[in-house]
Formats: sequence, structure tokens, C-alpha cells
Amino acid sequence: EAQVTQNPRYLITVTGKKLTVTCSQNMNHEYMSWYRQDPGLGLRQIYYSMNVEVTDKGDVPEGYKVSRKEKRNFPLILESPSPNQTSLYFCASSLPGTNNEQFFGPGTRLTVL
Amino acid sequence: RKEVEQDPGPFNVPEGATVAFNCTYSNSASQSFFWYRQDCRKEPKLLMSVYSSGNEDGRFTAQLNRASQYISLLIRDSKLSDSATYLCVVNYNAGNMLTFGGGTRLMVKP
Repeated sequence: EAQVTQNPRYLITVTGKKLTVTCSQNMNHEYMSWYRQDPGLGLRQIYYSMNVEVTDKGDVPEGYKVSRKEKRNFPLILESPSPNQTSLYFCASSLPGTNNEQFFGPGTRLTVL
Repeated sequence: RKEVEQDPGPFNVPEGATVAFNCTYSNSASQSFFWYRQDCRKEPKLLMSVYSSGNEDGRFTAQLNRASQYISLLIRDSKLSDSATYLCVVNYNAGNMLTFGGGTRLMVKP
């Protein structure tokens, strides 16, 4: 089954404790991205990657890192999480090009205390 | 001013009603347009792309007005299962960077 998976789905952590949210897709998509969704603000892009070893900042990259060592994986790293990073996070992938559908993972609900 | 704006709703309509949502975008260089559907904090899923000539998929019709920079979605004969948040999405560069509107919530009641 073609899909995007994220782990963990739910995480409660404390300020400053490094964490990684994994994202994997099995559709051989070149393009992957991370979004956060907050009430009243909609989905905002954090980072994106056009292909292996090619990453770039989205609209809200502060406090996050990413890597793209393999085509299928695009982990999101919070080196020192803070409470303002409490949010619902979605990973997405697609083929390159402006008209292609983005496939989203099921989301990761993160709470930073 | 937000780049993509939608009325957050909620739109409360009875089953069988016709409902329309509009969305405005600020970047005239925008290249492609979509409506995504999101159920209750689940992941967004593509509902339909929006083409300049307008397009229809069953009960759903999408229109694009480039001159006025707005996109519309019309849902005919609403079903209970149409209850969701509808996200207007715009791609304004050559890559895959999408800009999302805040979403319009639709609640269809029996």
C-alpha cells in the first residue's frame, strides 16, 4: 500500500530534550516536506527537500533541523524543543512539479511541557 | 494580510443543500491551485485540482478566477459525509511549496 508513515504518532516531552520524528514514504517520491498545523494559523511549511541531500527552509524553520540521506526518509529533528513547538506535525511527499498531489502522513501530535 | 484567505466558517447546512466556499490568494504569480479535505485533525487529502477552465468531479465543482485571484468550491446535494474542513491550497513557485489557507469548516446536518 502506497503510504507516508510517521513515528511517533503522539509524544509528550519536556523542554530541551532532543527528539526526532521520523517520516518514511514508499512511493519513490523525490519531494518531501514537513508542516505544522496550529489553530487559527493553518498548515505552515517547516522544511522541504527536492531530493536526496537537497533541503531548504520553508516558512517556519526556526528550532527545527532535517536531513535527507535516503530518498524514502525525511526525519524532523528538534534539538532543544520549547513549548511553542507544541503542535500537530505532518510529513508529506510528492512527485516533482507544481500540479502533483501531495500525500500526507497521519500526523504527529507533539506536546512540549 | 495572509497569502491565502478563507472564511473559517463553520458553514452549517442541511443534507441536500448546495454550499459554496471561496478562497482568495494574494500572489498573482501563483501557478497551481487545489482543494484539500481534512477530517477532524487527520491528514489532509487532495479533493481536486483547480483548472483555469473550471472542473467538475461528481457533486463538486471548482472554479478559478485569475483576474480576481480567487478560487471557489461548490458542493451540490450535500451529504453527512461531506462534513470536514476544506483547505484552499496554492502553489506559487516552480517547486512543490504549497501555501495553505486556514480552512473552511463544513457541517452537514440531517
